[in-house]
Amino acid sequence: DADVTQTPRNRITKTGKRIMLECSQTKGHDRMYWYRQDPGLGLRLIYYSFDVKDINKGEISDGYSVSRQAQAKFSLSLESAIPNQTALYFCATSDPSTGGDEQFFGPGTRLTVL
Amino acid sequence: QKEVEQNSGPLSVPEGAIASLNCTYSDRVSQSFFWYRQYSGKSPELIMSIYSNGDKEDGRFTAQLNKASQYVSLLIRDSQPSDSATYLCAVIPSGAGSYQLTFGKGTKLSVIP
Repeated sequence: DADVTQTPRNRITKTGKRIMLECSQTKGHDRMYWYRQDPGLGLRLIYYSFDVKDINKGEISDGYSVSRQAQAKFSLSLESAIPNQTALYFCATSDPSTGGDEQFFGPGTRLTVL
Repeated sequence: QKEVEQNSGPLSVPEGAIASLNCTYSDRVSQSFFWYRQYSGKSPELIMSIYSNGDKEDGRFTAQLNKASQYVSLLIRDSQPSDSATYLCAVIPSGAGSYQLTFGKGTKLSVIP
């Protein structure tokens, strides 16, 4: 089955540490996204990429950076983690060539910053 | 600020009843609308997409779109306890060529056996 995977699934880290979350997909989609979800705030877009050479900021990009290493891989980095970055992080993909704008989500990474 | 509004619930319905979930959006030129289901601690799962005014049915689910009223809804017929989850409405606010999903905060549905 074509899928979206995320590693790690859970991570506990300390303030000031650098951390990378990874996303891989076998769907063959060009577009990839990173979201965070916080209780009461819903899902918010951090960064998105339409192809390997394209990186765009989303609604809440401060404190984050991304790398699109290949069509299938999109990584999110926290350069110096802080406690208010504790959240559930989701990667998503889409393929507008199908005629729709549907986004498909990975299983998520639960990140805790102490 | 382009917004998507949902009643947070919880919405409780008995098993076998129809659950009605509602969503309004602020950007009049929005073209693409989605309903996602999210179980606690899990990722959002796409249930329905709708792009044109009217109804779209898929099994027990019906999405309804009224662009003039800036309103989209999801009906779940013959509700089952397994339908208990948070339902997220999502909208792509701008016209053709846009990409950025804006999510509502979700409505929590509880189906009582």
